[in-house]
Amino acid sequence: SAVISQKPSRDICQRGTSLTIQCQVDSQVTMMFWYRQQPGQSLTLIATANQGSEATYESGFVIDKFPISRPNLTFSTLTVSNMSPEDSSIYLCSVFSGGADTQYFGPGTRLTVL
Amino acid sequence: RKEVEQDPGPFNVPEGATVAFNCTYSNSASQSFFWYRQDCRKEPKLLMSVYSSGNEDGRFTAQLNRASQYISLLIRDSKLSDSATYLCVVNAPNSGYALNFGKGTSLLVTP
Repeated sequence: SAVISQKPSRDICQRGTSLTIQCQVDSQVTMMFWYRQQPGQSLTLIATANQGSEATYESGFVIDKFPISRPNLTFSTLTVSNMSPEDSSIYLCSVFSGGADTQYFGPGTRLTVL
Repeated sequence: RKEVEQDPGPFNVPEGATVAFNCTYSNSASQSFFWYRQDCRKEPKLLMSVYSSGNEDGRFTAQLNRASQYISLLIRDSKLSDSATYLCVVNAPNSGYALNFGKGTSLLVTP
């Protein structure tokens, strides 16, 4: 499976600010995804990061709040904009790897908004 | 109704016990099914895919009942290291490659 890293691993931010999370994969992958896992909840897909085109957002998530970049096949960023305490969550990127239909996850970014 | 439902537990079992987790899913068009394991403060990691014929990987057995839209995971001879949250995961057939996650079932194996 692919090796996925995320930066930062954790952060504490003030409300109203923005944070950009980076996801790096050690091999080229077609599809990258961003998930959120709120405390005590299951993972929820935010969007699919498409290389060379705009990200595809799931219901309830919008580009203005969660802008995503995908400049190449190994890297993506997710920005959490104008943060509020409700954005406190773990944000994870994931990829398909190895030709399988399974997804592998990065270690996650633990965000706390005060 | 949630897309994927699991008993949250916690399941507290002694070492060596056999434990079974169940999961139901709501979309009959789903085609891919998985069990992931998530340790505290860690990312989910694939435990095993679930196939229609059922599949086994060492002490772990997964089964799928499409008619009942039901998935199970059986762990035999539990080890302390099996303590984790087990996530039932089903693809969302009308949402590209999206996956629907259950909230997870918490397992604690005690000495």
